[in-house]
Amino acid sequence: DAKTTQPTSMDCAEGRAANLPCNHSTISGNEYVYWYRQIHSQGPQYIIHGLKNNETNEMASLIITEDRKSSTLILPHATLRDTAVYYCIVRVPYNFNKFYFGSGTKLNVKP
Amino acid sequence: DTGVSQDPRHKITKRGQNVTFRCDPISEHNRLYWYRQTLGQGPEFLTYFQNEAQLEKSRLLSDRFSAERPKGSFSTLEIQRTEQGDSAMYLCASSPPGTLNYEQYFGPGTRLTVT
Repeated sequence: DAKTTQPTSMDCAEGRAANLPCNHSTISGNEYVYWYRQIHSQGPQYIIHGLKNNETNEMASLIITEDRKSSTLILPHATLRDTAVYYCIVRVPYNFNKFYFGSGTKLNVKP
Repeated sequence: DTGVSQDPRHKITKRGQNVTFRCDPISEHNRLYWYRQTLGQGPEFLTYFQNEAQLEKSRLLSDRFSAERPKGSFSTLEIQRTEQGDSAMYLCASSPPGTLNYEQYFGPGTRLTVT
């Protein structure tokens, strides 16, 4: 099972870009990278996903390295409401599309 | 609000009691997942349903745990003879049919405390 490694915590100033790294060096060619976040005591919320191309939506951008062994989630203008635990997840398509969560990164956005 | 609901939101029970949780997925979603999350950790997969069929169970799901999805709509997760180690957040997620979108929509979770 592909595993992910993320820093335990990060700080970011309000209004600045937050760059959250993730290492997934054992990822296979058909396994997608997903990012979710979890605000205290709520269920995880979908942010973005990708396979090998960079992706952007209204919430964030996802940059995946060419060798696919790591990725970075970018929140372009962090707000206080972005304070949450961010999970980098590998979806395993041949195994019922289960999500394997790591321990995540606690992002603290400070005024 | 993702549209996935779970009931109850909180449950306190004494060790040895049985508890049952319910998950109502988004109506057209045929895939349903249960996860367990302990304090400070990410969610861990427990079991997966496609329609009414339970296709995958984690080794975390001991014989005290049972899950059902009788008509392919709502699902229940029952824990018999609860132990203190069962204290956790139990999360349900659903996903639509087809091969284009595997995004999982999570409910708010049921927090279980076993005293």
